Amino acid sequence: AQTVTQSQPEMSVQEAETVTLSCTYDTSESDYYLFWYKQPPSRQMILVIRQEAYKQQNATENRFSVNFQKAAKSFSLKISDSQLGDAAMYFCAYRSVRGGGADGLTFGKGTHLIIQP
Amino acid sequence: NAGVTQTPKFQVLKTGQSMTLQCAQDMNHEYMSWYRQDPGMGLRLIHYSVGAGITDQGEVPNGYNVSRSTTEDFPLRLLSAAPSQTSVYFCASSRTGSNQPQHFGDGTRLSIL
Repeated sequence: AQTVTQSQPEMSVQEAETVTLSCTYDTSESDYYLFWYKQPPSRQMILVIRQEAYKQQNATENRFSVNFQKAAKSFSLKISDSQLGDAAMYFCAYRSVRGGGADGLTFGKGTHLIIQP
Repeated sequence: NAGVTQTPKFQVLKTGQSMTLQCAQDMNHEYMSWYRQDPGMGLRLIHYSVGAGITDQGEVPNGYNVSRSTTEDFPLRLLSAAPSQTSVYFCASSRTGSNQPQHFGDGTRLSIL
C-alpha cells in the first residue's frame, strides 16, 4: 500500500513571499501520478497541480510549481508571490496506475497554510 | 454544468439511525468514490466504483454500504450510525485513467450523537 506524508502541519508566510510545502511518499510502483489539492475554508477540494511520474520535467501552473524528485520520493509544492487567497489546507495525493487508477487517491494529512498580510 | 452534487450538506443523526448520503454527477464519469475527512487525518477512501454495477472497498469500508445502479448516482448508506462515523464526507468522480483528476462535491458534514 502507498503512503503519503506531509510533515508540516502548519506553515506561515508573508504575503508576496515564496513558500514551499513538503510531501514524501512511499510506493513500490514505478509509474503513478501525484497531485496537490487546495481546500479553502469553503471546504471545496480544488486541484492545484499534477505530476506524472514518468515525466522528469516539473509541472508548473502559474504561481504554483513542483519539485519532483522521483528517486527520493519527494513532491514539494512551491507557491510564489503568495496571495491572501492562497490561505487554505493543502493536500498531497498519490494515484496508482494499477487498475487505471480506479481505486482513487491516497492523501497526506495536509498542511495548513497561513498568509500573513 | 453542476459537476458533482452531494446532498444533504449537513445532517445530525442519533446513534443507531440509518441514512443515505446522495451523490450525483453529470459529467458521464465512469469512476466514482467516497471519502471521509477527519481532523488531522486527511481524506480516506471508503468505497469506489468503476462503473454501473461494480463497486469495491477502500481503506475504511466498515459500517458503510454502496451501490451503483446508474453511471450518474453513487449513494453511500450508513445502516446503523455510530459516533465514530462523525465526519465530513466527500464524493468524487473522474474519467477513466490514472492521469484524470478527481472532481469533488462540496461535502456533507455528518454528526452522530
